[in-house]
Amino acid sequence: DGGITQSPKYLFRKEGQNVTLSCEQNLNHDAMYWYRQDPGQGLRLIYYSQIVNDFQKGDIAEGYSVSREKKESFPLTVTSAQKNPTAFYLCASRWADQNTGELFFGEGSRLTVL
Amino acid sequence: RKEVEQDPGPFNVPEGATVAFNCTYSNSASQSFFWYRQDCRKEPKLLMSVYSSGNEDGRFTAQLNRASQYISLLIRDSKLSDSATYLCVVGPDYKLSFGAGTTVTVRA
Repeated sequence: DGGITQSPKYLFRKEGQNVTLSCEQNLNHDAMYWYRQDPGQGLRLIYYSQIVNDFQKGDIAEGYSVSREKKESFPLTVTSAQKNPTAFYLCASRWADQNTGELFFGEGSRLTVL
Repeated sequence: RKEVEQDPGPFNVPEGATVAFNCTYSNSASQSFFWYRQDCRKEPKLLMSVYSSGNEDGRFTAQLNRASQYISLLIRDSKLSDSATYLCVVGPDYKLSFGAGTTVTVRA
């Protein structure tokens, strides 16, 4: 079955540690996105990528980094520079040449920094 | 001003009732409009796209008003299973913006 897989589902880390969240899709989508969701708030865009080896900052990119070395994969690193990293992180993908196309989401990764 | 704004609710309605709510957006160049449903602590899932002429999917009806820059969602004959947060999603192209969501609770 095609879809988006995020791992880990739950992650606990100590303050000051970098963590990397995995996102893999087998939908052959060109565009991939990372969002952050905090309680009672909408999803906020961290980074997005329209094509391999290229990505752009979203609205809240500070303290995060990404790479897009393969079409299928778009990992997100939450660095120690991110002041409030505890959140629900969602990866999504869609067709890049269909700008009106829907976003498909992974199940999310819930990061808690202790 | 936020790019996408929604009434957070909650809308607390009995089974069988009709509930409707809107979402306003600020970017007049927006071309993509969706309603997503999100259950507690889960990922959002597409409920329906919103087309210029309005569209219906079973008990759900979506409308787009470009002049006033809002979209709406109407749920008829509410079911207990409709209880969720409904997210409005709007974008000019590749960069979609999400509203904070409208919470609907359907009671027996």
